[in-house]
Amino acid sequence: GESVGLHLPTLSVQEGDNSIINCAYSNSASDYFIWYKQESGKGPQFIIDIRSNMDKRQGQRVTVLLNKTVKHLSLQIAATQPGDSAVYFCAEKRRGSTLGRLYFGRGTQLTVWP
Amino acid sequence: DTGVSQDPRHKITKRGQNVTFRCDPISEHNRLYWYRQTLGQGPEFLTYFQNEAQLEKSRLLSDRFSAERPKGSFSTLEIQRTEQGDSAMYLCASSTNQGRETQYFGPGTRLLVL
Repeated sequence: GESVGLHLPTLSVQEGDNSIINCAYSNSASDYFIWYKQESGKGPQFIIDIRSNMDKRQGQRVTVLLNKTVKHLSLQIAATQPGDSAVYFCAEKRRGSTLGRLYFGRGTQLTVWP
Repeated sequence: DTGVSQDPRHKITKRGQNVTFRCDPISEHNRLYWYRQTLGQGPEFLTYFQNEAQLEKSRLLSDRFSAERPKGSFSTLEIQRTEQGDSAMYLCASSTNQGRETQYFGPGTRLLVL
């Protein structure tokens, strides 16, 4: 069935390196995408979002890239820090679906080694 | 702290008992969402309110579940006759109905049904 998913369940990087977390989606009606960070025992924390009329959006140390042709979303974290260790979820909102429901993928566990 | 708050943070109950959780959204947000998250999975949508009106319910929300938002501010989620399969993290999120409509999550209530 249609779903939001992630290519890799785990990612380990050295402190200071750049991280890239990937997400594939299959619903062409998705028009808004969000990346959340979730630390153990806490609720998801908003990182960055992007609308489908954009290809790229930058925040502080983070960049989201959207490739609608292949239905792929990525989150790039520059100069990864130990505090970035968490599970990262991509979520989508589907155009035409009722109001505001987000569809989440399974998540990628990012581990940053000192 | 003006973020989304949830109470209690943890709840342990015996099978068959009723439990009630509370969510206080960000004060200017008129939309409120409940999600459920099990271990290793992304949050799954349960229900959504705009002001006091419950506008959507997921098929995950069985007859044993009921949610209210009587004055359009805080919300409660009640589970009657709890089952072991109800054990999960229950997350609340809120948003405005303008602009990006970004959903901001609370810390969640972790439920364990014995």
